[in-house]
Amino acid sequence: DAGVTQSPTHLIKTRGQHVTLRCSPISGHKSVSWYQQVLGQGPQFIFQYYEKEERGRGNFPDRFSARQFPNYSSELNVNALLLGDSALYLCASSLGDRHNVRDGYTFGSGTRLTVV
Amino acid sequence: SQQGEEDPQALSIQEGENATMNCSYKTSINNLQWYRQNSGRGLVHLILIRSNEREKHSGRLRVTLDTSKKSSSLLITASRAADTASYFCATDVPGTYKYIFGTGTRLKVLA
Repeated sequence: DAGVTQSPTHLIKTRGQHVTLRCSPISGHKSVSWYQQVLGQGPQFIFQYYEKEERGRGNFPDRFSARQFPNYSSELNVNALLLGDSALYLCASSLGDRHNVRDGYTFGSGTRLTVV
Repeated sequence: SQQGEEDPQALSIQEGENATMNCSYKTSINNLQWYRQNSGRGLVHLILIRSNEREKHSGRLRVTLDTSKKSSSLLITASRAADTASYFCATDVPGTYKYIFGTGTRLKVLA
């Protein structure tokens, strides 16, 4: 059974451009979360989607947006890229909602975004 | 800002020794999780401990939780070179889907 898959694995973009990152959760998982991890720091929460609805948003500007599709896959979009957006973007899926936490997240390997 | 703070920031030990990492957090939680990350790639879930649990074991891992002190510790016994990684604690934010990760402990196990 496939784990959480993210694409692309690496990406180089120029300041001001737009980027779309993709995530496919584990089969049967309805919850997808996005995290940003800057080098040397812990992951920072960006978004959580459950059953295609946004259930949580972290302290990120409106340049960051996301959506979840009927098959529970998800996209993270970042507009007007800044140098500071360079980071590892992690997607995580989980089985249930916050009232039924039995296991932790299953993370993908991430997308390494470099903004030049 | 990050709620969890791991201590120490870096730890270097010899293979076979035990490694202990600590995590402190600021607000009430329902559960706390520990993750491992190799070379800046994806995080691997190690263990989840609920707020009503005090200790949990999984193989060579032992996690304790002290909610009165808002702290947790992760003990890796009989460490191996393959345990070399960064270790993060993550705490939930009750009422939300959000988890807050700490700053991480970089563990290096020397063969």
